[in-house]
Amino acid sequence: GAGVSQSPSNKVTEKGKDVELRCDPISGHTALYWYRQSLGQGLEFLIYFQGNSAPDKSGLPSDRFSAERTGGSVSTLTIQRTQQEDSAVYLCASSLHTQGGHGYTFGSGTRLTVV
Amino acid sequence: DAKTTQPPSMDCAEGRAANLPCNHSTISGNEYVYWYRQIHSQGPQYIIHGLKNNETNEMASLIITEDRKSSTLILPHATLRDTAVYYCIVRPPGTGNQFYFGTGTSLTVIP
Repeated sequence: GAGVSQSPSNKVTEKGKDVELRCDPISGHTALYWYRQSLGQGLEFLIYFQGNSAPDKSGLPSDRFSAERTGGSVSTLTIQRTQQEDSAVYLCASSLHTQGGHGYTFGSGTRLTVV
Repeated sequence: DAKTTQPPSMDCAEGRAANLPCNHSTISGNEYVYWYRQIHSQGPQYIIHGLKNNETNEMASLIITEDRKSSTLILPHATLRDTAVYYCIVRPPGTGNQFYFGTGTSLTVIP
C-alpha cells in the first residue's frame, strides 16, 4: 500500500483479555518498529524487526508483550492478560534499510483502552 | 533515554516564522539531528535531518550550531496546519537503532 496501515484503529478490551494489533508496512520496507504512546507522553520504543535478523526486543515492558513478523511483511503485536496501564496508542513504523531515520513512515496507530 | 531538551510549548502567529530550539549538548560525532512532528491523532511525520551543515527542504530549515550542541528548526511561514508536537532526536545513522522520542515541543499556531 501507499502507507503503513494499522488495525484496528481503536480497541476497547476488558482487563485480563488478550489483544492482537496488526501492522501492514509499506511494501518493500525491510525494517519495522513498534512504539507506544501513553496519553500526554512521548513515544516509547517496544520492538524492532530487520529482515530475517533476530528482532530487538529490548523495549518490551514485560513478558505479556510479544510480536512477530511473518514473511518479512505483516507484523502482529500481542498483549496477553491486558492491564489498565497498557492503555495507549500503539504505533508502527517501517523504513527501507538503507534510508535510515528519514525513511521512517508511521501508521496512524491503534488506540487501546483497557477497562 | 532521550538525549535532547526542548521547551514544552510555544506559540507562533500565523504567517510568521516559527523557531523551535533543541539542546543536545552530549551529541556524539556520528549522531545526526532529526526532527519529526506529530499532528493530533496521527503518527509522527519526518521533517528534516542534518549532521553538521544547515539543511533546508520544502517543509523547514534546520540550523545546527558550530559546536553541534544545539539546533533550531525553522518553519518559515507557519500555518494553522503546522500546529503539532515537534520532536528533536539525535541518533547514529542506519536503521539498527531506534529513535528515542522525548515529550517534544507543542507548537500552537495562532490565527
